[in-house]
Amino acid sequence: GENVEQHPSTLSVQEGDSAVIKCTYSDSASNYFPWYKQELGKGPQLIIDIRSNVGEKKDQRIAVTLNKTAKHFSLHITETQPEDSAVYFCAAKRDSGGSNYKLTFGKGTLLTVNP
Amino acid sequence: DTEVTQTPKHLVMGMTNKKSLKCEQHMGHRAMYWYKQKAKKPPELMFVYSYEKLSINESVPSRFSPECPNSSLLNLHLHALQPEDSALYLCASSLSGGGTTYEQYFGPGTRLTVT
Repeated sequence: GENVEQHPSTLSVQEGDSAVIKCTYSDSASNYFPWYKQELGKGPQLIIDIRSNVGEKKDQRIAVTLNKTAKHFSLHITETQPEDSAVYFCAAKRDSGGSNYKLTFGKGTLLTVNP
Repeated sequence: DTEVTQTPKHLVMGMTNKKSLKCEQHMGHRAMYWYKQKAKKPPELMFVYSYEKLSINESVPSRFSPECPNSSLLNLHLHALQPEDSALYLCASSLSGGGTTYEQYFGPGTRLTVT
């Protein structure tokens, strides 16, 4: 089955700095890669996703890059703000096969943005 | 609108109790999911319903019983739980699962404590 590794497990940055979280996946058939933000006491919120036919996607201060050859994808947050503090999860999924519905998550990164 | 609602927000139950968790979405999504999340861990898939039929059961103990009365509602019936079942239970939904990957949206979760 799919295995997703996520690094770092914790990340502390100063407000205004950039933050980068990296994930690698093992199943070359995976073709959908979402990122979720989970604030304390809340459910995961989908913040951005990328599909395997695209190398990069941006939405305001967040961007995701995908390298299919190396099987890794990254989340980039620029101009970080204290409200970006949360746990971030990457995930991977493929369209085909018995695990059609299943997202495989990384273990999460606790991002702290210090004012 | 990408809202998934869950009730109750918090639930405390004894090991001999029977209780139910409820989830609702009005986005026209035809796939609905139950996840379990322990502290500082990613969500773990429990069940998937597709078009109101159980599609995936991730070998979940029978003390958890899912039900999908219609395309907008998902229930999780709980009976004879153990203290180790204490966790955040998350509901999610997506447009569909078969053959194409669509975004999964999570609800806020029910914090369950088994005493």
